[in-house]
Amino acid sequence: AQRVTQPEKLLSVFKGAPVELKCNYSYSGSPELFWYVQYSRQRLQLLLRHISRESIKGFTADLNKGETSFHLKKPFAQEEDSAMYYCAIFGANNLFFGTGTRLTVIP
Amino acid sequence: DAGVTQSPTHLIKTRGQQVTLRCSPISGHKSVSWYQQVLGQGPQFIFQYYEKEERGRGNFPDRFSARQFPNYSSELNVNALLLGDSALYLCASSLEQFLDQETQYFGPGTRLLVL
Repeated sequence: AQRVTQPEKLLSVFKGAPVELKCNYSYSGSPELFWYVQYSRQRLQLLLRHISRESIKGFTADLNKGETSFHLKKPFAQEEDSAMYYCAIFGANNLFFGTGTRLTVIP
Repeated sequence: DAGVTQSPTHLIKTRGQQVTLRCSPISGHKSVSWYQQVLGQGPQFIFQYYEKEERGRGNFPDRFSARQFPNYSSELNVNALLLGDSALYLCASSLEQFLDQETQYFGPGTRLLVL
């Protein structure tokens, strides 16, 4: 069965510091993974997806099949990155979300 | 375009009652999915509808039902409400049936409180 684990509920970093939000998954097939973000008082929105291999707002995520991980990274955190981040895996025609990590960037 | 809209924004019900939540997808989108988000958890998939047919169902009891109308709007019904049904209910739409290539756009949610 599909499962996504985000081990950190809260993560605080200083502005300009690197940030890494962890995501581990379990899936029997070839996974399609996503990161969603929810800024304060805004809707849940797609940040990036594995299949497009793009960088959005300076964030990247690499799929590591050996470690079954899809960590989200950004080299220099900005205050506007403070938000709730959810890792999700696609399976059975829907998304399975992790429990989320709240990122706070300290000025 | 206002994006995905949901009504009502907030709702208070008592145990045993029934509730209907509504969702209007982005214009032109044919697929609607429903998610339940309990406080402190990620969204959990309930249903997907595409072209008025159910295309997926999550691990929820039969008290939960949904339908999609010819204009692609959707309703989620929950019968015999339990305290544990208190949650934020999210609707998401996509242009076509939600597969890994599609992008889902989420609505603001309906917050349901069951007393």
